[in-house]
This record gives sequence, C-alpha cells and structure tokens, in this order.
Amino acid sequence: AQKITQTQPGMFVQEKEAVTLDCTYDTSDPSYGLFWYKQPSSGEMIFLIYQGSYDQQNATEGRYSLNFQKARKSANLVISASQLGDSAMYFCAMSNPGNAGNMLTFGGGTRLMVKP
Amino acid sequence: EADIYQTPRYLVIGTGKKITLECSQTMGHDKMYWYQQDPGMELHLIHYSYGVNSTEKGDLSSESTVSRIRTEHFPLTLESARPSHTSQYLCASSVLTGSSTDTQYFGPGTRLTVL
Repeated sequence: AQKITQTQPGMFVQEKEAVTLDCTYDTSDPSYGLFWYKQPSSGEMIFLIYQGSYDQQNATEGRYSLNFQKARKSANLVISASQLGDSAMYFCAMSNPGNAGNMLTFGGGTRLMVKP
Repeated sequence: EADIYQTPRYLVIGTGKKITLECSQTMGHDKMYWYQQDPGMELHLIHYSYGVNSTEKGDLSSESTVSRIRTEHFPLTLESARPSHTSQYLCASSVLTGSSTDTQYFGPGTRLTVL
C-alpha cells in the first residue's frame, strides 16, 4: 500500500526567506509520480510541481523546487523567497499506474504561514 | 492547465434534502474524480470515472452517487443529506494515459453544510 507522510503540521517562515516542506513516501512500485499542491483558504487545490520516479534531475517551477532523494524516499518542496501569498496548506501526493489507474494518495498537509 | 468548474461554491441545506453538486471541465479530459475533504485534513477519493458511462467507487465509502453521461460533466448526488455529509467536495480531472505523470487539476470546491 502507498503512504505519504508530512510530519510538519504547521510552519512559520519570514517573508523573503526560503522554506522546506517535508514529504516522505512509501511504495513498492518502481514507477510513481510525486506531486505538490497548494490549497489557500479559499479551498481550491493548485498544482505546483511534479517529479517522476525515473527523473534524474530535481523538478523546478519558478520559485518552487522539489528535493527528490529516492533512496530516502523523500520529496521535499522548497519555496524560495517566500511571499505573503504563499501562506496556505501544502499537500504532497503520490500516484502510480498500478494504483487503480493512477489514483493520488495524499499526505495530511502542512500549513505554511509567512510572516511579514 | 485545465479549466474545471464547480457549482455551487457554498451550500447550506437541511437534513433529508436531495442535492446535486455540479462539476464540468472544458479540457476534454477522460478521467474525472470526486474527493471529500474535512477542514485542514487530507483529501479522500470517493468516486472516479475513466470516461463516459464509467463510474467507480474510491477509497472512502460514500453514500453519494455519480454519473458520467457526457465527457465534460461529472455530477455528484446525495439522495438524503445528513449532518455527517458536511464537508468540502473537490472535483478534479486528468488525461488518461495511465502514466504516473497524469496531473490532476482541481475545481474550486463546494463547501457543503447540512443542518
């Protein structure tokens, strides 16, 4: 069975500083995808970044980067130069083709609060 | 990026009423999903569909039902709402390649309160 663990229920970061949100996963499948989503207080889920299990390079999307350490089964999200608008819940999720057609398994989320 | 819409955004309703939550997407995605999420908690998959006339139950047991008569439309129905159904319901869609890269794009959600 797949499992995603986010051990930080809440975090504070000073505006303009970088922050790392932790995510560890557990799967026996060799092929899987890792996703990060942002959920502001308005409730929608916003896709941020994707990393495939066979990707050699860490994924980057603007201020977001994914620190993928396959041997440790971790996929931490790094947000550089934090902005007030980054305050939100962040969810790590995993998919694999063998899981009922690529279903996503979500972690419990981390609430990030950016201080001015 | 997918355009995916949900209505209503907020719904307060009495116990026993029948409700339908609407979800539509304009990207031609074959696969669609419904998730249930309590405030500040993780998402749980309750229904999904591979395409027209396909519906499957997700990991979390739900008293709701879904239908998929058109590719772009995936409504969720509760025949008799109860206070335990109070939650946020999120609809999502993705392409269907079977690859782990199939990104799910979410709608804005419906916050349901049953009194």
